[in-house]
Amino acid sequence: GENVEQHPSTLSVQEGDSAVIKCTYSDSASNYFPWYKQELGKRPQLIIDIRSNVGEKKDQRIAVTLNKTAKHFSLHITETQPEDSAVYFCAASRIKAAGNKLTFGGGTRVLVKP
Amino acid sequence: SQTIHQWPATLVQPVGSPLSLECTVEGTSNPNLYWYRQAAGRGLQLLFYSVGIGQISSEVPQNLSASRPQDRQFILSSKKLLLSDSGFYLCAWNGQGKGPQHFGDGTRLSIL
Repeated sequence: GENVEQHPSTLSVQEGDSAVIKCTYSDSASNYFPWYKQELGKRPQLIIDIRSNVGEKKDQRIAVTLNKTAKHFSLHITETQPEDSAVYFCAASRIKAAGNKLTFGGGTRVLVKP
Repeated sequence: SQTIHQWPATLVQPVGSPLSLECTVEGTSNPNLYWYRQAAGRGLQLLFYSVGIGQISSEVPQNLSASRPQDRQFILSSKKLLLSDSGFYLCAWNGQGKGPQHFGDGTRLSIL
């Protein structure tokens, strides 16, 4: 089955700097890659996703890049703000596969220091 | 718009007691439904998923079971809870396997 590795496990950045989180996946058939943000004690919330027919996607300060050949994808947060502090999870799945199951990375705890 | 409800929000149960957590989705038909468990400070582990009424797939052998008695209702159960069942239980849905999964607010389960 699919295996998703996520790095780093913790990331501390100064407010205004950029943060980058990287994930690698093992199943070359995976074609859908969402990112979730989870604040302490809350549910994970989708912040951005990308499909395998696209190499990059942006939404304001957040961008995701995908390298299908190398089987890795990354989340980029620019101009970080204290409210970006949270745990971020990447995930991978095969759309239209049975159950459309997501395999999650282990998470990255991001701390934005004012 | 679609919404997902989970209850209760928190639960404290003794070891050996039964469990029933409920999840319902509104505003959509025939969703895929999922149960995850998250241990403190850890990632998300998929426990069960369902693509339709009465159809349950188990991902990890464990002390839990799931049922889907109605199209938009998903129930997580146990006959006898273990200490290791403690965690944050999250229900999620997506539209017939398409698009992102959306999570409920979760149930924080503590076993004493």
